[in-house]
Amino acid sequence: KAGVTQTPRYLIKTRGQQVTLSCSPISGHRSVSWYQQTPGQGLQFLFEYFSETQRNKGNFPGRFSGRQFSNSRSEMNVSTLELGDSALYLCASSISGTGLEAFFGQGTRLTVV
Amino acid sequence: AQTVTQSQPEMSVQEAETVTLSCTYDTSESDYYLFWYKQPPSRQMILVIRQEAYKQQNATENRFSVNFQKAAKSFSLKISDSQLGDAAMYFCAYREGATNKLIFGTGTLLAVQP
Repeated sequence: KAGVTQTPRYLIKTRGQQVTLSCSPISGHRSVSWYQQTPGQGLQFLFEYFSETQRNKGNFPGRFSGRQFSNSRSEMNVSTLELGDSALYLCASSISGTGLEAFFGQGTRLTVV
Repeated sequence: AQTVTQSQPEMSVQEAETVTLSCTYDTSESDYYLFWYKQPPSRQMILVIRQEAYKQQNATENRFSVNFQKAAKSFSLKISDSQLGDAAMYFCAYREGATNKLIFGTGTLLAVQP
């Protein structure tokens, strides 16, 4: 069974640009969550989508947004990139709204220059 | 707000020995789940073990076991017969029963010495 797939794996963007990251969950999983990992702040929850609806949101500015499609694939978008947005962005999928296990993708490494 | 604390930034263990990683958490909820995740250099988070708060029995997965002390809000991970492949960053995580939001500790970097 295929795991969680995140694309692209690496990305370099210029300050002020916007970026879209993609996450394809495990087949049959309807919940997708996004996390930002930085050396300074650690792992922080961005948001969760379940059945195309945002169910939870972390404490991030409105420049961070996301969506989920009918096939459960999810995208997150960051507009007006700042240097501090450089991070590893991890996506996790769960089989149901409150599934016990979250399975993570390999992440997208975003570098803002 | 819930918090997760890992007080050991780094740990080291000899191959084949046993090591215990500490984690404490703070919550006012009664229904929650606790996890240990491993993040090797590849950066992919891998679930090591999970514990449901309503279960008194400590979870065990092969060489990995937990010591869950609900009243003390403590959730430590014991790795027995440590192997070189166990070297990684280990994160303790908390999840409320009704959501999929994970709150992570700051991690413990485990080195395994041959």
